[in-house]
Amino acid sequence: GAVVSQHPSWVICKSGTSVKIECRSLDFQATTMFWYRQFPKQSLMLMATSNEGSKATYEQGVEKDKFLINHASLTLSTLTVTSAHPEDSSFYICSATSGGPRYNEQFFGPGTRLTVL
Amino acid sequence: ELKVEQNPLFLSMQEGKNYTIYCNYSTTSDRLYWYRQDPGKSLESLFVLLSNGAVKQEGRLMASLDTKARLSTLHITAAVHDLSATYFCAGVLTGTASKLTFGTGTRLQVTL
Repeated sequence: GAVVSQHPSWVICKSGTSVKIECRSLDFQATTMFWYRQFPKQSLMLMATSNEGSKATYEQGVEKDKFLINHASLTLSTLTVTSAHPEDSSFYICSATSGGPRYNEQFFGPGTRLTVL
Repeated sequence: ELKVEQNPLFLSMQEGKNYTIYCNYSTTSDRLYWYRQDPGKSLESLFVLLSNGAVKQEGRLMASLDTKARLSTLHITAAVHDLSATYFCAGVLTGTASKLTFGTGTRLQVTL
């Protein structure tokens, strides 16, 4: 149980285009989903927290107009990188928590590698 | 604000040796997690430590938590090559529900 999927697993796009990444909780309802970004050889940096049906909460320094997050249902959150540029190239990882008895443990997706040319 | 620091950042060790990775955090944390990350992959959950004095073991890895010292350790016993990976600890700032703050990571390389 507690499986989180991401799609696509990797994507290459041209500078200026937008890319959408999906994060799904497959066997539980995710009250909260998190989006992280990881640059090579660095730690994970939290970008935003999203709760179903409400606006995402962005961390300081993350542009909300550039990284659009939608949490339309209890099993799906999407991250759209708008007008992507090469500096947006990174590994994007989502996680989900059910808020259930397992002390709000986060379950991580497999990640999406974005390369912007 | 919770800050989490790990040391060392990089560790090269021979198979069969023991070593410890340290994770210090700056303020009260509800719980402490340890994760493993292989190159190009996402995170694999190893341990969650919930209270002072907690100790958990799985195979050659053992994690402990000292909340008074704000310190968690990940001890590796008789390392094998398969343990080569990057290890992260992460804390949860009290009152912030599930929001994780990750440490810098420790890249472990076990040589034959």
